[in-house]
Amino acid sequence: SQKIEQNSEALNIQEGKTATLTCNYTNYSPAYLQWYRQDPGRGPVFLLLIRENEKEKRKERLKVTFDTTLKQSLFHITASQPADSATYLCALGSGYALNFGKGTSLLVTP
Amino acid sequence: DGGITQSPKYLFRKEGQNVTLSCEQNLNHDAMYWYRQDPGQGLRLIYYSQIVNDFQKGDIAEGYSVSREKKESFPLTVTSAQKNPTAFYLCASSTTPQGRREKLFFGSGTQLSVL
Repeated sequence: SQKIEQNSEALNIQEGKTATLTCNYTNYSPAYLQWYRQDPGRGPVFLLLIRENEKEKRKERLKVTFDTTLKQSLFHITASQPADSATYLCALGSGYALNFGKGTSLLVTP
Repeated sequence: DGGITQSPKYLFRKEGQNVTLSCEQNLNHDAMYWYRQDPGQGLRLIYYSQIVNDFQKGDIAEGYSVSREKKESFPLTVTSAQKNPTAFYLCASSTTPQGRREKLFFGSGTQLSVL
């Protein structure tokens, strides 16, 4: 069966450090991979989309890598800030819709 | 401002009752989706619609029904057949039905609880 796995344990880091979140998948051959941010009690917000032929994509302090051989994506937030504290979701396409991982909770402390 | 509006924010259902969750978008998007989120779980797809008057079942459609009579509206009914309806329900849309390569825009969600 298809699976999208993200670190279930919360990630706690100090302000200013780089946060790295992992997304592993099985039984997918995705052409695209997406990352979303979700705050408590709110809907997810789109952050980045990376295509299979793109090894890396950047947007301001965010960087995403996509390794189709390892079946893994890494999501980095550099110079992290307390405002970055949220749950981050990885999503892959299946048919006409997206399937989401359970998300990883990030807490950035001052 | 363009976006997706879900209402109500909180909803309570009595046993044996059907309830309807509203989702309206003014983004002129063709595709709309309903997801369910349980605590500590990922989003699971209930139904999706690629175009007006057409919709398809997602992974957990049993106990739910939808309609898509207007492009901007995609209401979800939670029927009495859904025995465990307590969850956070999220509506989303995308410009085209190709959800894999299109980013999704989400509403702010409806928390449904059983009395």
